[in-house]
Amino acid sequence: KAGVTQTPRYLIKTRGQQVTLSCSPISGHRSVSWYQQTPGQGLQFLFEYFSETQRNKGNFPGRFSGRQFSNSRSEMNVSTLELGDSALYLCASSLAPGTAYNEQFFGPGTRLTVL
Amino acid sequence: GNSVTQMEGPVTLSEEAFLTINCTYTATGYPSLFWYVQYPGEGLQLLLKATKADDKGSNKGFEATYRKETTSFHLEKGSVQVSDSAVYFCALRPRDDYKLSFGAGTTVTVRA
Repeated sequence: KAGVTQTPRYLIKTRGQQVTLSCSPISGHRSVSWYQQTPGQGLQFLFEYFSETQRNKGNFPGRFSGRQFSNSRSEMNVSTLELGDSALYLCASSLAPGTAYNEQFFGPGTRLTVL
Repeated sequence: GNSVTQMEGPVTLSEEAFLTINCTYTATGYPSLFWYVQYPGEGLQLLLKATKADDKGSNKGFEATYRKETTSFHLEKGSVQVSDSAVYFCALRPRDDYKLSFGAGTTVTVRA
């Protein structure tokens, strides 16, 4: 069974640009969550999607947005990039929300560098 | 709110030494608790989990016991190997929520 895949793995952008990151969950998984990992702030929850609907959102500005498609694939978008957006963006998938027992499986991440 | 406090690193050990990484949490109710491991250049892998008080999670020689009375979930391994060098994250997820709250991570380096 293939794991969570994220594309691209590495990305370099300049301030003010926008970027779109993609996540394909494990087959059969319908819930996708996104996390930002930085040395200073650690791992922070961005948002979670299930059945094409955003169920939870972390404490990030509106420049960060996302969506989920009918095949459960998800994208996140960051507009007007700032230097502080440089981070490893991790996607995690699970079967479905609803209980605390559902394990989240993480992808390898997309390393975004903003110059 | 929910939070996880993790022992600060970095931790450097010799092969076959005993490893303990302390983790305490603050949460309402009875969250599920997790340890994740991140190897260099990779994403997170679930190492072990416990979903209720007194549960012991174990995997690859690592163990952690869910202690409600001390709100702790310390990670232990009796004899570490060089291949255990990684960053370890303690995390919790409340019953009524879906997002994981992570500790700051502890970098462990095992020397031969």
